Amino acid sequence: DAGVIQSPRHEVTEMGQEVTLRCKPISGHDYLFWYRQTMMRGLELLIYFNNNVPIDDSGMPEDRFSAKMPNASFSTLKIQPSEPRDSAVYFCASSTDPQRAEAFFGQGTRLTVV
Amino acid sequence: DQQVKQNSPSLSVQEGRISILNCDYTNSMFDYFLWYKKYPAEGPTFLISISSIKDKNEDGRFTVFLNKSAKHLSLHIVPSQPGDSAVYFCAASEGDNYGQNFVFGPGTRLSVLP
Repeated sequence: DAGVIQSPRHEVTEMGQEVTLRCKPISGHDYLFWYRQTMMRGLELLIYFNNNVPIDDSGMPEDRFSAKMPNASFSTLKIQPSEPRDSAVYFCASSTDPQRAEAFFGQGTRLTVV
Repeated sequence: DQQVKQNSPSLSVQEGRISILNCDYTNSMFDYFLWYKKYPAEGPTFLISISSIKDKNEDGRFTVFLNKSAKHLSLHIVPSQPGDSAVYFCAASEGDNYGQNFVFGPGTRLSVLP
């Protein structure tokens, strides 16, 4: 398996534009997580899914953020409209076994909003 | 309010010596802890974990120690190698959290000097 795949690796967009980040989890993993990494706050969990169903989105910062998982092999994180303070690295991770298997992370998407 | 703290943003160690990375937590309900290593432009990768029923877990050059009464854990790397230079994240989760909602510390940048 190629691991968790995220696209794009880098995204530069203008303030006010819509941004969509994509993630393909490892096949067979039941859980998918979206994290954001910033200098100020480190790695923060935004939302996670179990079997394609959003379970906890309490980490999503604002209504401008939304995430979907239409099937077991694909998830998106959308920011609309984007703002400069959304600039960060966004990681997707997946895992299996609810008894605490470690999560496998993608390489991240570096988002810059200018 | 950070539930998982890594008070040393950076650490430098000579090759061959021991590296000790520290992590403190405030939530007494945390009962599972992990360490992740992160290289630049890559996602975090799992390194080692420990359950609260143990006070030590060892895997090769890596050992994690847990002191529940002090709410403190540490990662020991011995001997340290230049390839260990990375950012190390401590993460914790609660036993009743079916969804593996890991809380990450801010990370410690380890530099192993040749």
